[in-house]
Amino acid sequence: SQTIHQWPATLVQPVGSPLSLECTVEGTSNPNLYWYRQAAGRGLQLLFYSVGIGQISSEVPQNLSASRPQDRQFILSSKKLLLSDSGFYLCAWSVVAFETQYFGPGTRLLVL
Amino acid sequence: AQTVTQSQPEMSVQEAETVTLSCTYDTSESDYYLFWYKQPPSRQMILVIRQEAYKQQNATENRFSVNFQKAAKSFSLKISDSQLGDAAMYFCAYRRGNDMRFGAGTRLTVKP
Repeated sequence: SQTIHQWPATLVQPVGSPLSLECTVEGTSNPNLYWYRQAAGRGLQLLFYSVGIGQISSEVPQNLSASRPQDRQFILSSKKLLLSDSGFYLCAWSVVAFETQYFGPGTRLLVL
Repeated sequence: AQTVTQSQPEMSVQEAETVTLSCTYDTSESDYYLFWYKQPPSRQMILVIRQEAYKQQNATENRFSVNFQKAAKSFSLKISDSQLGDAAMYFCAYRRGNDMRFGAGTRLTVKP
C-alpha cells in the first residue's frame, strides 16, 4: 500500500533562517505531488505541484520554492523565512493530476 | 475566480443523529470536481467523498452522502448516524484542471 511521510512534524525557526521540509511517498511510481499551506483557521492554499521529476509549478508567488530531486521526493524550501510563513504545511500525492489526493501528516511551522 | 464558501464555521451533532454541512462555490465552468475532506485533530487530511459535476447522481460513501445541486452551485455533506470519530474539521474543495480551491472549513463536534 502507498504511504506518504513528512518531516519534521514540528519546526520552530527564527525569521530570516532557511527552511527545508521533506515529503516522500512509498508504494507508487511517478506520483503527482503537491505542497499546501494551511494558515490558522483557514482552508488550504495550494503552493506548488509537480507532475514529474524536475517539473515544478508554482501557484502563489512568495519566498518559498519547491524541488523534486527524485520521483517520490518533494522538498519545500526557503532561503529566508518570514513571520507570515508560519502555518501548517501539507504534502499530498495523487495518481492522476489533481484527482483524488492523499495527504501526509503535515508539518507545523512556527516562525518567530 | 472560483471561490468555495462554507458558511458554517462550527456545527455540532448528537451521536447517532444526522448532520448536514453546507458548501457553495462560484464557477462559470460546467465540468469540474467537488470534494469533501476531513481533518481530524491529527491534522492529516482524509478524502471523504468525491463528486463529478457531469454526474447527476449524488455520491455516497457509507454514512456519508452529498446533495449536489449544480444549478444552485451547492454541495452539502450529510453525515448519518454520527459517531464520535466523525469529530473533525471538514473542508469542501473545488477542482477544475489545475485549479484547486478549498473552503475555510467547518468544525464538527459530536456530543455523546
